[in-house]
Amino acid sequence: IAGITQAPTSQILAAGRRMTLRCTQDMRHNAMYWYRQDLGLGLRLIHYSNTAGTTGKGEVPDGYSVSRANTDDFPLTLASAVPSQTSVYFCASSETFTYNEQFFGPGTRLTVL
Amino acid sequence: GENVEQHPSTLSVQEGDSAVIKCTYSDSASNYFPWYKQELGKGPQLIIDIRSNVGEKKDQRIAVTLNKTAKHFSLHITETQPEDSAVYFCAASSYSGAGSYQLTFGKGTKLSVIP
Repeated sequence: IAGITQAPTSQILAAGRRMTLRCTQDMRHNAMYWYRQDLGLGLRLIHYSNTAGTTGKGEVPDGYSVSRANTDDFPLTLASAVPSQTSVYFCASSETFTYNEQFFGPGTRLTVL
Repeated sequence: GENVEQHPSTLSVQEGDSAVIKCTYSDSASNYFPWYKQELGKGPQLIIDIRSNVGEKKDQRIAVTLNKTAKHFSLHITETQPEDSAVYFCAASSYSGAGSYQLTFGKGTKLSVIP
């Protein structure tokens, strides 16, 4: 059982380019989340999905979009990357969208130049 | 929205000593408080959590206490070992509207256990 996988592991991207970060979970969890982690700022929620077919905005959604076509996949897209989006991105999932354990993926380190 | 403050930002202890990390939260309706450990280059991993109807929870060398009146909760690690060295995050779960609950994280504590 892999849990949550993220791809790519790391990426260097030119500003203005489009980029999709991939996230797949095999736990059949209903809820999925995208966070960004910046030094000194902890983890901040970008977007979330309570169930397949629904998405919502988190604390820092600007410049990002998500989709949830099925239970397992939750891609995060940067339509036109900017240097301030340089960060480590973590995907997470939980069994339901109420208060229970969130399982995190290994992260994607993104650098926008 | 919820605001979570975490202290200290860095903590160094001698192996075998205890470590305490403290967090405060602002939303009195928050009802779930997990603690995550993040090792270098990895994603955060849940180590212990507590719900609002419980004041204390223990799991071997790790314990968490919750004071709902004061809106603070703490992580206690006893008999620290070098493998406890990591960044620790507290979080609080609160209702964010439209049937959703969200975790708000503290900024993290880097714990170093000196052999």
